[in-house]
Amino acid sequence: DAGITQSPRYKITETGRQVTLMCHQTWSHSYMFWYRQDLGHGLRLIYYSAAADITDKGEVPDGYVVSRSKTENFPLTLESATRSQTSVYFCATTSGAGELFFGEGSRLTVL
Amino acid sequence: SQELEQSPQSLIVQEGKNLTINCTSSKTLYGLYWYKQKYGEGLIFLMMLQKGGEEKSHEKITAKLDEKKQQSSLHITASQPSHAGIYLCGADPNTDKLIFGTGTRLQVFP
Repeated sequence: DAGITQSPRYKITETGRQVTLMCHQTWSHSYMFWYRQDLGHGLRLIYYSAAADITDKGEVPDGYVVSRSKTENFPLTLESATRSQTSVYFCATTSGAGELFFGEGSRLTVL
Repeated sequence: SQELEQSPQSLIVQEGKNLTINCTSSKTLYGLYWYKQKYGEGLIFLMMLQKGGEEKSHEKITAKLDEKKQQSSLHITASQPSHAGIYLCGADPNTDKLIFGTGTRLQVFP
């Protein structure tokens, strides 16, 4: 089906472990984004990408790494997970015309 | 950097009542977006406003962008339980990325 999908939807990990959240879109949109959602903070931008091989930092990039070798994929990696990274992560994409399309979210718990 | 503040943070209304959610920007808005999030799910696009004074409606939801383009309001008429969720405003600060307000949690009880 066309759209944007995230995996895994739920993940529990331990402090210090590496975790990768996957994001895949079928529209070939140029822009892709990673947000985290936390109570009291709303949605905060972690990283975004304007095209394949072009990424840039958002508001809260520390502790995260992204790559975009293919237009359709935008994985987010936590190289050494911390408890403060417990959150719900949303991937989003847009063609640049304004409206963002969001994935269903990945709920990450770091113990 | 631009910031968006939403008010109220939380709202509980009885079914059938009208309500308004506000979104105030620290800088001029070049594009203002309203999204709704059902609990535990992703965000769904509601509408986008770009011009000062613009007003858009979808079913019982109306959004306005003020003339100075620094505030938007979302008004729901005759609320229903299906309107419950988190409403977020998002702004395009004239860059590639969209920033969001902290959200307003709406509960509608029968």
